[in-house]
Amino acid sequence: GESVGLHLPTLSVQEGDNSIINCAYSNSASDYFIWYKQESGKGPQFIIDIRSNMDKRQGQRVTVLLNKTVKHLSLQIAATQPGDSAVYFCAENMSAGNMLTFGGGTRLMVKP
Amino acid sequence: SQTIHQWPATLVQPVGSPLSLECTVEGTSNPNLYWYRQAAGRGLQLLFYSVGIGQISSEVPQNLSASRPQDRQFILSSKKLLLSDSGFYLCAWSKMGGSNQPQHFGDGTRLSIL
Repeated sequence: GESVGLHLPTLSVQEGDNSIINCAYSNSASDYFIWYKQESGKGPQFIIDIRSNMDKRQGQRVTVLLNKTVKHLSLQIAATQPGDSAVYFCAENMSAGNMLTFGGGTRLMVKP
Repeated sequence: SQTIHQWPATLVQPVGSPLSLECTVEGTSNPNLYWYRQAAGRGLQLLFYSVGIGQISSEVPQNLSASRPQDRQFILSSKKLLLSDSGFYLCAWSKMGGSNQPQHFGDGTRLSIL
């Protein structure tokens, strides 16, 4: 369904610093989560995913943390670069099929 | 590798005109296919999804329709566009069967209704 939000929250970080983007999900039965990056005028790009039987997963410069107790997901970006500037969406799979529900997004701005 | 193509990239249409947006996927067979709409500064709203040729499920009532005439082709249509149909339309695919698969998106069509 549609995510509700009148404006995008924005995170502004200095180049080289670490970024942490947070997401609260709604359904305790969700068992699969994804982070997407969307640059202006483009479609969302898959970054990393995590299944509910894990609480941490690492990729290249990115780490996803899952806290099922409080239904919280975070994306950590190490040594943030100007090319990381984009809108980041979390998504959860709430069904046995492959239907994703997307969060409202967070805009990451990297200051040089 | 798999790729997904959407066209056109941008489209300006008058109110009441018809619409046809096309999406094709290469490099995979029997994909699940999805159409989303994204309003400015917002998340993604699922419009339609398809698990096979001729199989379309609609998530929200609207004056849009979708069709899947071939395995890797997904079309979004309207007979008469409304002003409220303006937005960024995204097509996505995922591997067939099973859950816990990421969806992969095309670069979208920006539709402006005048």
